[in-house]
Amino acid sequence: AQSVAQPEDQVNVAEGNPLTVKCTYSVSGNPYLFWYVQYPNRGLQFLLKYITGDNLVKGSYGFEAEFNKSQTSFHLKKPSALVSDSALYFCAVRDASGGFKTIFGAGTRLFVKA
Amino acid sequence: DADVTQTPRNRITKTGKRIMLECSQTKGHDRMYWYRQDPGLGLRLIYYSFDVKDINKGEISDGYSVSRQAQAKFSLSLESAIPNQTALYFCATRGSDTQYFGPGTRLTVL
Repeated sequence: AQSVAQPEDQVNVAEGNPLTVKCTYSVSGNPYLFWYVQYPNRGLQFLLKYITGDNLVKGSYGFEAEFNKSQTSFHLKKPSALVSDSALYFCAVRDASGGFKTIFGAGTRLFVKA
Repeated sequence: DADVTQTPRNRITKTGKRIMLECSQTKGHDRMYWYRQDPGLGLRLIYYSFDVKDINKGEISDGYSVSRQAQAKFSLSLESAIPNQTALYFCATRGSDTQYFGPGTRLTVL
């Protein structure tokens, strides 16, 4: 069965510092991995995805994520956080070998302090 | 204009009432989804549809039903609302890989 774990309910970081939001996953086949962001009173917005190829994926707003197959992780990173990055972040996984459902993590709230 | 729209955006209702949440999309995608979001639980799949004739239950379909009226329209019904169905509901479509979400409907069942 597919599953996604986001071990931190909340991440706090100072503006200008690097940020990491952690995600680990479990699928039976190869994974398709996604990060979405949710701002207050808005739906989820796509940030980036890993399908195949380079393990380092670059996405919107300066975010990137690294696929690590041996650790089954897909951590979201940004070199320099902005106050406007404060939001709820969701990691998601879908089994590439015919999986139709995308499973979402519980979400991690990111607070960036000025 | 938004690619995925949901109506209403907010709704307060009473226990036992029938409620319909509507979703429309202009992305031309065949796949559509209904999720509910609860604090600390992330998004849980209620129903999904691969086309007008193909509707499937998700992980928490009890107490809900859906109708796919057209490729662009996918509605969610609560036949007899109960307080634990108070949540934020999202409709989504999916292209080749990525999902596109509506703005959500905040439903409160008193």
